[in-house]
Amino acid sequence: GIQVEQSPPDLILQEGANSTLRCNFSDSVNNLQWFHQNPWGQLINLFYIPSGTKQNGRLSATTVATERYSLLYISSSQTTDSGVYFCAVAPGNQFYFGTGTSLTVIP
Amino acid sequence: DAMVIQNPRYQVTQFGKPVTLSCSQTLNHNVMYWYQQKSSQAPKLLFHYYDKDFNNEADTPDNFQSRRPNTSFCFLDIRSPGLGDAAMYLCATSRTPGTSGSTDTQYFGPGTRLTVL
Repeated sequence: GIQVEQSPPDLILQEGANSTLRCNFSDSVNNLQWFHQNPWGQLINLFYIPSGTKQNGRLSATTVATERYSLLYISSSQTTDSGVYFCAVAPGNQFYFGTGTSLTVIP
Repeated sequence: DAMVIQNPRYQVTQFGKPVTLSCSQTLNHNVMYWYQQKSSQAPKLLFHYYDKDFNNEADTPDNFQSRRPNTSFCFLDIRSPGLGDAAMYLCATSRTPGTSGSTDTQYFGPGTRLTVL
């Protein structure tokens, strides 16, 4: 099956810092999403981004489908950004999650 | 608001006692998914329904079954829960238009946290 790797696995930032999270996948996909999982376990959609670049406030994402990777940028981080960030890819209807990046933003 | 609803939010069962988790959606999406997420791990796909077609992942244990009586509802049945089945169970939906095989944005419910005593 498709392999989805995320890096770094853990990240600690000072409030206000910027960061880049990476998602590599081993095969062609039709869909790629970034999620933020809050402390209560809810998965929140950040981006639906099978290709190209999107921005939403302090967050932006870029997917280069031909090179099989996606990047999530967080600028001016806030303590509320803490949590686990997952990418999920779909070759067809099935979604497969990456290993996740655990982000801690300290005041 | 259109959404994905899971009940109950917390479920406690005894070792070996069958349990059913439920999921409903008001998005009218044709694809519904069940995931298992254990502590500090990524969600793992158990199975999904594309309309009425059931698709089981190869490594999903036989102990896990699912039913989708209509578009809006989907159930996860655990026939004989073991201690290793304690986890968060997440339901999700998406829309696959046409026959392209690609699917749109996936939306998740809040999850049901299962404890096995």
